[in-house]
Amino acid sequence: AQTVTQSQPEMSVQEAETVTLSCTYDTSESNYYLFWYKQPPSRQMILVIRQEAYKQQNATENRFSVNFQKAAKSFSLKISDSQLGDTAMYFCAFIGAGNNRKLIWGLGTSLAVNP
Amino acid sequence: KAGVTQTPRYLIKTRGQQVTLSCSPISGHRSVSWYQQTPGQGLQFLFEYFSETQRNKGNFPGRFSGRQFSNSRSEMNVSTLELGDSALYLCASSWGHQSSGNTIYFGEGSWLTVV
Repeated sequence: AQTVTQSQPEMSVQEAETVTLSCTYDTSESNYYLFWYKQPPSRQMILVIRQEAYKQQNATENRFSVNFQKAAKSFSLKISDSQLGDTAMYFCAFIGAGNNRKLIWGLGTSLAVNP
Repeated sequence: KAGVTQTPRYLIKTRGQQVTLSCSPISGHRSVSWYQQTPGQGLQFLFEYFSETQRNKGNFPGRFSGRQFSNSRSEMNVSTLELGDSALYLCASSWGHQSSGNTIYFGEGSWLTVV
């Protein structure tokens, strides 16, 4: 069965510092997609970053970047220059490419950015 | 462009009753998926609809059902409510199938409390 593991239930970081959230997944597929979503206290899920497994280049969105290690099945999220508004739950998700697949979600990491 | 709209946002129901939740996707999006989010279980996939057809279904009892209309709006219904159905129900839409790696966009959710 495909699984997504986020091993850090809670993390904290000082404003302006850098933090890395870990995510590992288990799959036998070679083509798939990975996502990081953010859920602030408002509970609105917001896409942070998306990675296609067949692209070796790590995805980047402004202060957010990923370290995608396909062989190790690792997909960590780095947040640079952390801001108070980054305080949220962060979810890692995986979906295999193919018919009728569904997103598999990790249990999330609660990130607190402290002033 | 309006986002994903879910109604109602909050509701309280009694055990044994039924409930219908509504979701209007982003204009042009044909895929709508539903998730149940609870503190202990994280996000659990309920089902995905595409062009009025259910494309995929999660591991939920038959009390949970859904449908999609020709305008892509979707409803989910839960019959014979149980206390354990209390959760945040999230709707998400995407232009194409989730399994094509399309980014999904979430609504703000419907908070269901069963008493």
